[in-house]
Amino acid sequence: DAGITQSPRHKVTETGTPVTLRCHQTENHRYMYWYRQDPGHGLRLIHYSYGVKDTDKGEVSDGYSVSRSKTEDFLLTLESATSSQTSVYFCAISRTGRETQYFGPGTRLLVL
Amino acid sequence: AQSVTQLDSQVPVFEEAPVELRCNYSSSVSVYLFWYVQYPNQGLQLLLKYLSGSTLVKGINGFEAEFNKSQTSFHLRKPSVHISDTAEYFCAVSIYPDKLIFGTGTRLQVFP
Repeated sequence: DAGITQSPRHKVTETGTPVTLRCHQTENHRYMYWYRQDPGHGLRLIHYSYGVKDTDKGEVSDGYSVSRSKTEDFLLTLESATSSQTSVYFCAISRTGRETQYFGPGTRLLVL
Repeated sequence: AQSVTQLDSQVPVFEEAPVELRCNYSSSVSVYLFWYVQYPNQGLQLLLKYLSGSTLVKGINGFEAEFNKSQTSFHLRKPSVHISDTAEYFCAVSIYPDKLIFGTGTRLQVFP
């Protein structure tokens, strides 16, 4: 199994508060991704990174920001959490970007 | 634009019966195709992938898929399912240069 961890694994927060989720890898893969999973929508890409300090938006990036200051860590921040951001968030990594992505265990976020 | 369609949101099947989960994609360029499996409360695991070469791809747990370029399909099959195959299955297609698009998922429910 690829070495990917996500923290926290579960989070309950209130509307309007900032939230940061962390993804950590030990594989030295260049690419890192953040997805959200919602019933009926499958996985949707929020943001991704193709190198340290190199990031780009996905299809559902509004209300989210990311940072990658070192290869192994990719942070996802909800600037002001809303109930619509209640979801399961997955991090993934990939060596080349176009080939296999390996997924972390997920973070369940509930925004009240 | 590239897209992925999983035609069945749920597939119920009895144990030891064969199963086919359908996936169609749209793309004007060559593609890489993937099937992932998600067991309850877990992340996604790669089941199999097609990058090039033989159109019949074998994966883990006895699953296989056939790439059909003329029908733009990548259906997943297993000749005899087990209770432990109960999970959600996601088809995905690569977007050059560095992203995947996922289908909305098919929930396979195996009954004894």
